[in-house]
Amino acid sequence: NAGVTQTPKFQVLKTGQSMTLQCAQDMNHEYMSWYRQDPGMGLRLIHYSVGAGITDQGEVPNGYNVSRSTTEDFPLRLLSAAPSQTSVYFCASSYAVNTEAFFGQGTRLTVV
Amino acid sequence: GDSVTQMEGPVTLSEEAFLTINCTYTATGYPSLFWYVQYPGEGLQLLLKATKADDKGSNKGFEATYRKETTSFHLEKGSVQVSDSAVYFCALRAPGSGGSNYKLTFGKGTLLTVNP
Repeated sequence: NAGVTQTPKFQVLKTGQSMTLQCAQDMNHEYMSWYRQDPGMGLRLIHYSVGAGITDQGEVPNGYNVSRSTTEDFPLRLLSAAPSQTSVYFCASSYAVNTEAFFGQGTRLTVV
Repeated sequence: GDSVTQMEGPVTLSEEAFLTINCTYTATGYPSLFWYVQYPGEGLQLLLKATKADDKGSNKGFEATYRKETTSFHLEKGSVQVSDSAVYFCALRAPGSGGSNYKLTFGKGTLLTVNP
C-alpha cells in the first residue's frame, strides 16, 4: 500500500550542483505533478504529466526539467541548483484530471 | 487567472471549540473545490471536496459548502480536537477535462493549533 513515494526526504546541495528528485506511484495513475511549497505561498505547480511521454509546464517551471518514460515514475531534475530553489517539493498523482490527487511525503531541499 | 484566498493564520483554539477557516476563490465557470490537510512532517491529504454549486463536502466532522453566489468554500467543524492540529489548504481545479485543467490552485494555507 505504498501510494506515492518520494526520495530522498532531505537533501542539501551546493549552488550549481545538479540532482534528481524521484517520484514513483503504484496506483497506475495517468496524471502526475510536481509542486513546490514555500512559506506563505501555498503550493505552486512546477510541471505535470497526463501520461507516459507527455509533460507540460506549470506556473513555476524555470530551472526544472521532467520526463515521463513510464506510468509509474516522474522524476524532477534540477540542472544547476540555486538558493531560490530551496523549498519543500511534493509529487502528486491522480487517476484522472478531476479525481482526488494523492501526495507524497515531500522532499525538503536546501541549496547553499 | 484563478486564485484562492484563505484566512491568514495561525489559528489557535481550545479543544471542543468551533472552527471556521474562510476561503474565497476567483475562477471562471464552475471549478471543483477542495480542502486538503497537512499534518506535521507529512504530505497533503484530501479532506473533502465539492464539485458543483450548493454541494456540501464532509469528512471527519469537517464540512464545507460550495457557495457560487459568494464564491466561497468555508471550512467548519463544530468541536475540534488536539489531533486536528495541522495546516489546512483550500484549493480549486478549473472546469473542463483537458490536461491543462489538471492544475490545482492552492491558497496559502492556515495553521491550526488546538490546545487541550
